[in-house]
Amino acid sequence: QQPVQSPQAVILREGEDAVINCSSSKALYSVHWYRQKHGEAPVFLMILLKGGEQKGHEKISASFNEKKQQSSLYLTASQLSYSGTYFCGIDNYGQNFVFGPGTRLSVLP
Amino acid sequence: DTEVTQTPKHLVMGMTNKKSLKCEQHMGHRAMYWYKQKAKKPPELMFVYSYEKLSINESVPSRFSPECPNSSLLNLHLHALQPEDSALYLCASSQVASGTGETQYFGPGTRLLVL
Repeated sequence: QQPVQSPQAVILREGEDAVINCSSSKALYSVHWYRQKHGEAPVFLMILLKGGEQKGHEKISASFNEKKQQSSLYLTASQLSYSGTYFCGIDNYGQNFVFGPGTRLSVLP
Repeated sequence: DTEVTQTPKHLVMGMTNKKSLKCEQHMGHRAMYWYKQKAKKPPELMFVYSYEKLSINESVPSRFSPECPNSSLLNLHLHALQPEDSALYLCASSQVASGTGETQYFGPGTRLLVL
């Protein structure tokens, strides 16, 4: 079952922060975050496993709340290169991997 | 090396043609995937191969026929496609099949146009 992402789209100025949310109606084993730029393949950002962990990579970090069956991706001090569509993907305990509908992020100068 | 390669990059075919898409990885991954992605939509899983055996077929029409000749190669054979099959076809691989928190690495995709 496809996870829900919010917001659908967000427009930022360089240097601003954004949060993208991903939630599932079923228990999650892991949450994956990908970014896809127009005309390119999805690029892996990070994976969060059950246990409520938080991860970070430079100015992009994410949290995973297993009990609430949701994950959030945090982008701080956004750069022009952050523009693209962000997808969460979920593993529902052995069921097929499913991507969310995506959040379109535009960073303006 | 975390590279998955796909050929061709672009493909235009008629509804009566037979063509094949090719995917290759040399990361020692034992799971390989085909996804279909339409514009402004997320990738949709089509097939999963695990240890060179087809483990998942997401009710894909028989005009799409996957093949895994060895652990590094994945093909998608196309025959009698419809215009609505036009899309970006993505190949991905992971250490083992998803469901266990494995990261999938994607190739650049083949952009297919069916006339």
